[in-house]
Amino acid sequence: AQSVTQLDSHVSVSEGTPVLLRCNYSSSYSPSLFWYVQHPNKGLQLLLKYTSAATLVKGINGFEAEFKKSETSFHLTKPSAHMSDAAEYFCVVKEDNYGQNFVFGPGTRLSVLP
Amino acid sequence: GAGVSQSPSNKVTEKGKDVELRCDPISGHTALYWYRQSLGQGLEFLIYFQGNSAPDKSGLPSDRFSAERTGGSVSTLTIQRTQQEDSAVYLCASRWTSGGAYEQFFGPGTRLTVL
Repeated sequence: AQSVTQLDSHVSVSEGTPVLLRCNYSSSYSPSLFWYVQHPNKGLQLLLKYTSAATLVKGINGFEAEFKKSETSFHLTKPSAHMSDAAEYFCVVKEDNYGQNFVFGPGTRLSVLP
Repeated sequence: GAGVSQSPSNKVTEKGKDVELRCDPISGHTALYWYRQSLGQGLEFLIYFQGNSAPDKSGLPSDRFSAERTGGSVSTLTIQRTQQEDSAVYLCASRWTSGGAYEQFFGPGTRLTVL
């Protein structure tokens, strides 16, 4: 069975500094991996996804993530944080073999300080 | 509409009452999911519908929870004899299931408050 760990429940950065949100997963099969963002009182929006193509995935709003199989990680990064990036971020894993469930991590709340 | 819609957006009910939450998926999406998000928590999987197959109900927390999907489109999540611990945001998502396009599209959610 697959599982997701988001190592930080809360990350705080200053505007203009880099963002790193960590995600580790476990999966019995080749996984698909996703990052979703949830702004306050808004729905979940897909940031980016990895589905066994290029290991470095670029998403919306300048975010990217790198799939590292050896480390079972899929960390989310952004070179320069913007105030509008403040939100909850969820790492999600889905096994490609027969699994129908998307397993969500507990989320990381990103705060961006002026 | 272009996206997943859910109704009502907010529901306040008294303990012991039944509630129905509705989800309208994106037209043509064959898969539909219900999740529950409690305050400050991640998403908890509830139930999954795929075409005409029997739904995966493995995430339903108790027999007070049930869901149906009529005509492969609209879905209703029913909670009977609501309890205070049922208070949460209930999210619906839909997706295609062909061509490897696994992305889920989420609705805005229904915020349920049980007094």
